Amino acid sequence: EAGVAQSPRYKIIEKRQSVAFWCNPISGHATLYWYQQILGQGPKLLIQFQNNGVVDDSQLPKDRFSAERLKGVDSTLKIQPAKLEDSAVYLCASSPHQGGPPLATQYFGPGTRLLVL
Amino acid sequence: AQSVSQHNHHVILSEAASLELGCNYSYGGTVNLFWYVQYPGQHLQLLLKYFSGDPLVKGIKGFEAEFIKSKFSFNLRKPSVQWSDTAEYFCAVISGGSYIPTFGRGTSLIVHP
Repeated sequence: EAGVAQSPRYKIIEKRQSVAFWCNPISGHATLYWYQQILGQGPKLLIQFQNNGVVDDSQLPKDRFSAERLKGVDSTLKIQPAKLEDSAVYLCASSPHQGGPPLATQYFGPGTRLLVL
Repeated sequence: AQSVSQHNHHVILSEAASLELGCNYSYGGTVNLFWYVQYPGQHLQLLLKYFSGDPLVKGIKGFEAEFIKSKFSFNLRKPSVQWSDTAEYFCAVISGGSYIPTFGRGTSLIVHP
């Protein structure tokens, strides 16, 4: 079974530029998560999708971050414009279904490491 | 809001030493509990999980964790660590009804031969 795919793996941009990340979840997984992991911290949930609908985006800085999951499969996360403090690893994860156990187990992708100069 | 504390930020052990990593959460209701591991250069992967039933859960590679509801804790243990256990360990909690995962800041474990 193929895992969660993410691209690019690394990205370096200057502040005020825009950047987009792509995630392809495990086939058949209804729930998709985007996390931000700053160095030395645990992953922080940015947004959670159930199929192509948003379950929670309370921690997404909506003035600069946006995400979409068209057709309930792939997802993109965009930052526009980027700030220095956005330097982090952006993780995508998927799970078979939102809701009760055992379906809430998440499967993580390799992440995209973003450096904003 | 749920919060998760991992009190040990860095742990250094010799091979064959016993390991216990602490994890405490704040929400007092129904919780689903997870430990994830990230080996150097690899992505996060599930080590073990607790949903209900026996509070002592066993995971991969000889790890186990005990859910103590009265202490809001879910500590990770291994009786004898190996060099290959060197990794970052994250505790995560999903509170009943919210389905929003909250992660601790992680514990970096280094095992030297």
